[in-house]
Amino acid sequence: NAGVMQNPRHLVRRRGQEARLRCSPMKGHSHVYWYRQLPEEGLKFMVYLQKENIIDESGMPKERFSAEFPKEGPSILRIQQVVRGDSAAYFCASSPNSETQYFGPGTRLLVL
Amino acid sequence: AQSVTQLDSHVSVSEGTPVLLRCNYSSSYSPSLFWYVQHPNKGLQLLLKYTSAATLVKGINGFEAEFKKSETSFHLTKPSAHMSDAAEYFCVVSDQKQAGTALIFGKGTTLSVSS
Repeated sequence: NAGVMQNPRHLVRRRGQEARLRCSPMKGHSHVYWYRQLPEEGLKFMVYLQKENIIDESGMPKERFSAEFPKEGPSILRIQQVVRGDSAAYFCASSPNSETQYFGPGTRLLVL
Repeated sequence: AQSVTQLDSHVSVSEGTPVLLRCNYSSSYSPSLFWYVQHPNKGLQLLLKYTSAATLVKGINGFEAEFKKSETSFHLTKPSAHMSDAAEYFCVVSDQKQAGTALIFGKGTTLSVSS
């Protein structure tokens, strides 16, 4: 059983471009969480999704950020018009039952 | 509201000596508590978790943690450090009463191990 997969592992964008981060949960997991890790800090929750539904987006910035988890395919975290402050590591976690979360390797976003 | 405080931002030990990483939590309900480890430029790996069963929890790689409700603590220990233990460690809490809630992370403790 492969672990949580995220791609790309590294992403470089210029200010104003769009960033798309993908997360494939572990097989059989229908719960997906996105977290952001700023330098020298712990992870901060962004959004929690189940298939085709956003359950909790209390940690998502109100503008430019969106997330989806379609019926088929990976979960996508989309950041429009990126700014330098968006530079961070973005981690996805999945869970089979909304208890223990298993993390992917992360996507490191650098905005120039 | 839940929160978690890791009391040390950096801990240095010699190889073969004990490790103690301290964590205090605050939770209105019965918490689930976790320790995750992150090696440089890698993802997070679950070390162990507490979910209201035995208060002494054994994890992978020789780590264990004890849940002490009276002290609201969940300190991580290992009897003998190995060079490969050098990493960032995160103490994490979630609300067991409300399934599917987000994890709340501490700021992390960097463990350095010298030979």
